[in-house]
Amino acid sequence: DAKTTQPNSMESNEEEPVHLPCNHSTISGTDYIHWYRQLPSQGPEYVIHGLTSNVNNRMASLAIAEDRKSSTLILHRATLRDAAVYYCILRSPSGGYQKVTFGTGTKLQVIP
Amino acid sequence: KAGVTQTPRYLIKTRGQQVTLSCSPISGHRSVSWYQQTPGQGLQFLFEYFSETQRNKGNFPGRFSGRQFSNSRSEMNVSTLELGDSALYLCASSLAGGGALDEQFFGPGTRLTVL
Repeated sequence: DAKTTQPNSMESNEEEPVHLPCNHSTISGTDYIHWYRQLPSQGPEYVIHGLTSNVNNRMASLAIAEDRKSSTLILHRATLRDAAVYYCILRSPSGGYQKVTFGTGTKLQVIP
Repeated sequence: KAGVTQTPRYLIKTRGQQVTLSCSPISGHRSVSWYQQTPGQGLQFLFEYFSETQRNKGNFPGRFSGRQFSNSRSEMNVSTLELGDSALYLCASSLAGGGALDEQFFGPGTRLTVL
């Protein structure tokens, strides 16, 4: 199964942009890249996902490298509420079944 | 719309016992996935059910099992509990079960402590 690698932790100043990287060098052609975040004492929360093209939504942007071996989650203006563990996840539909590979997660600290 | 609910929220068991955890997905969602989260191993996928059928299973021993009912509610069972089974068990639901495309909605989890 494809694996993902993320930095253990990152810091950002409030209202500054944050770029959270994820390496997935063994990604397969059918793997979608998903990002979730987990606030303390809560279940994970969906952030964004994509396959090949860059994606934007109200929460964040996802930049996917041309070779798809890495991606970057971009929070345009970090707020204190964005302090969480961010997980980069590969999901692959395969013959009706899914393979799920989790990254180790990046703990984002937002400094006021 | 109500979110994913999990019961119980906290559970204490002793080694050798078995436990059943319950998950009620968001209304209309047909896919339910289960995850185990521990400080050492992080988030690990247990299994996924769609329309009462197990579609995929993670790398866990046979002591971990699950099922899904016709109303999409799901249960997971762990038999012969071990100390290492202490974890937060998370349930997530999605609309159509094609998780590569679907957004998953997670419940708050059940915190299981095995003594």
